[in-house]
Amino acid sequence: GAGVSQTPSNKVTEKGKYVELRCDPISGHTALYWYRQSLGQGPEFLIYFQGTGAADDSGLPNDRFFAVRPEGSVSTLKIQRTERGDSAVYLCASSPLAGANSGANVLTFGAGSRLTVL
Amino acid sequence: AQSVTQLDSHVSVSEGTPVLLRCNYSSSYSPSLFWYVQHPNKGLQLLLKYTSAATLVKGINGFEAEFKKSETSFHLTKPSAHMSDAAEYFCVVSDTYNFNKFYFGSGTKLNVKP
Repeated sequence: GAGVSQTPSNKVTEKGKYVELRCDPISGHTALYWYRQSLGQGPEFLIYFQGTGAADDSGLPNDRFFAVRPEGSVSTLKIQRTERGDSAVYLCASSPLAGANSGANVLTFGAGSRLTVL
Repeated sequence: AQSVTQLDSHVSVSEGTPVLLRCNYSSSYSPSLFWYVQHPNKGLQLLLKYTSAATLVKGINGFEAEFKKSETSFHLTKPSAHMSDAAEYFCVVSDTYNFNKFYFGSGTKLNVKP
């Protein structure tokens, strides 16, 4: 596609519910990233994929958070037993290469999915 | 560990006057550095990047930034602010050992007065 697409743009859920957030990256981009942006803060790294595999998931806050990218394109961020503290904007980004410091690892971001947990 | 400090959470300038948004980084080696801009209800957009080439980096919309290793700074400047520059700006540093991992500063909101 022309850009990174994220759905839903807004999600309101109740505490304890399960949520899935979807990211459709730019076609052909190898790397895909998830960030979380809480109110008044900068984006916080969660996980990134190189192809189908999670190359670094060290930013996932706990085991309630999980992400997949089964075919190396679309990714889904899954949050189980949501808590009020999970409320944030979840940002997805993609880049063409996940190699060394080539300068090609510029991220293109989607508009984000705003999650509100009541 | 890498970190980024944006020294001002809010900056207000008049249209036509210079813009200075300050950023200091912490990194063991020469990192890659970026500035991103976020307009309301829009995605983050790359303004410019530094990847160990020229220390003065020119970006889009008349913005530029200078990498100063001795000061561990990467301040963003623009000679003359435009109303459309009003947005939030993020300074970003790459991880020393994993160039695909990026750390964002807390952001600086730029207000441009007519």
